Amino acid sequence: KQEVTQIPAALSVPEGENLVLNCSFTDSAIYNLQWFRQDPGKGLTSLLLIQSSQREQTSGRLNASLDKSSGRSTLYIAASQPGDSATYLCAVFTSGTYKYIFGTGTRLKVLA
Amino acid sequence: DAGITQSPRHKVTETGTPVTLRCHQTENHRYMYWYRQDPGHGLRLIHYSYGVKDTDKGEVSDGYSVSRSKTEDFLLTLESATSSQTSVYFCAISESGSAGITYEQYFGPGTRLTVT
Repeated sequence: KQEVTQIPAALSVPEGENLVLNCSFTDSAIYNLQWFRQDPGKGLTSLLLIQSSQREQTSGRLNASLDKSSGRSTLYIAASQPGDSATYLCAVFTSGTYKYIFGTGTRLKVLA
Repeated sequence: DAGITQSPRHKVTETGTPVTLRCHQTENHRYMYWYRQDPGHGLRLIHYSYGVKDTDKGEVSDGYSVSRSKTEDFLLTLESATSSQTSVYFCAISESGSAGITYEQYFGPGTRLTVT
């Protein structure tokens, strides 16, 4: 059974700092991995999707990497801003299923 | 933004009553999902659909049923609502992308359900 873990559960950083959010999964037979952002009381916004054949994806100040063999993905946020404050979730689509399994998220606060 | 709407957006109901939540999409995507989100548990899959009239259970399906009679609508029914079903419910859709089969998910705005 696929399990997805995100550590830390919460993180506070000063504005301008570069930071890394972690996502680990137990079954390496994944089809893809998706990172989301969720603001309080809102739905989820897709940030980046990495397919199993890819090692990384970039969008603006965000870079997501994937290491299937070790069951890990990282989301790198460069030059963090207060507007980046949100909960970040990763979700894994396991091969042979139609389902995503989500981690419980990392709540990020960027201090001005 | 993907064209996904959920109705109602907020609902308060009494224990024992049936409740139906609706997810509507305008993207013609094949796959649709219902999740619930609770503090400490994250997002958990209730049911999903891989085509019209094709549905399957997720990890927390007890007490819920779904129906999909057309591509654009996916209904979630709480057969007899209980207080443990107080939650925020999200609908999501996914489909192949232009680069091939990606199953990238897009989420609706959510429905906040309170069972008293």
